[in-house]
Amino acid sequence: ETGVTQTPRHLVMGMTNKKSLKCEQHLGHNAMYWYKQSAKKPLELMFVYNFKEQTENNSVPSRFSPECPNSSHLFLHLHTLQPEDSALYLCASSHSLWGDTEAFFGQGTRLTVV
Amino acid sequence: KNEVEQSPQNLTAQEGEFITINCSYSVGISALHWLQQHPGGGIVSLFMLSSGKKKHGRLIATINIQEKHSSLHITASHPRDSAVYICAVEEGGGADGLTFGKGTHLIIQP
Repeated sequence: ETGVTQTPRHLVMGMTNKKSLKCEQHLGHNAMYWYKQSAKKPLELMFVYNFKEQTENNSVPSRFSPECPNSSHLFLHLHTLQPEDSALYLCASSHSLWGDTEAFFGQGTRLTVV
Repeated sequence: KNEVEQSPQNLTAQEGEFITINCSYSVGISALHWLQQHPGGGIVSLFMLSSGKKKHGRLIATINIQEKHSSLHITASHPRDSAVYICAVEEGGGADGLTFGKGTHLIIQP
């Protein structure tokens, strides 16, 4: 148990559906991240939030829409996804962006787009 | 952009063997992380280091900043150590998050 909780753990959705992934941490961390892990590829950074402000959008298609209502919660809203978006989506948090701060990861959401 | 290379990609060993996983990177960093990912997908942070050596139980991590290289060692390996071990680097500022290697898939056979 890392202190970072992601829901749901598994999600199957059609290409026309709209769904949301949720990440929650009560570690007092100020920075939160969304990563994507596709088969046989390294984790890829998608979005970074620091003190609820988005600081990085790593050229992610607009069908992925992040939301950070407070420093404890992070959402990833999904709409009109493609089958190639099927992957493991991981949330992480850290105390701050700067310096060598340890990152804590959630268990991930396994997303399948059909 | 930092290039993070891990070796080997796959490693199968017998219980009790000493394991070494290597990581090299191309651009100077502020910190390096070793992570463990189990089949369910969840990731656990093992080490974060910016110099020297750290030890947790049977795990040892070292880093050589000048050579841009880090190693993760497992002593007296056990089947429960079977997992994917991922090296990730953090560059100054931290706004780019972590850059990850592809991981090393370790299987320890009884």
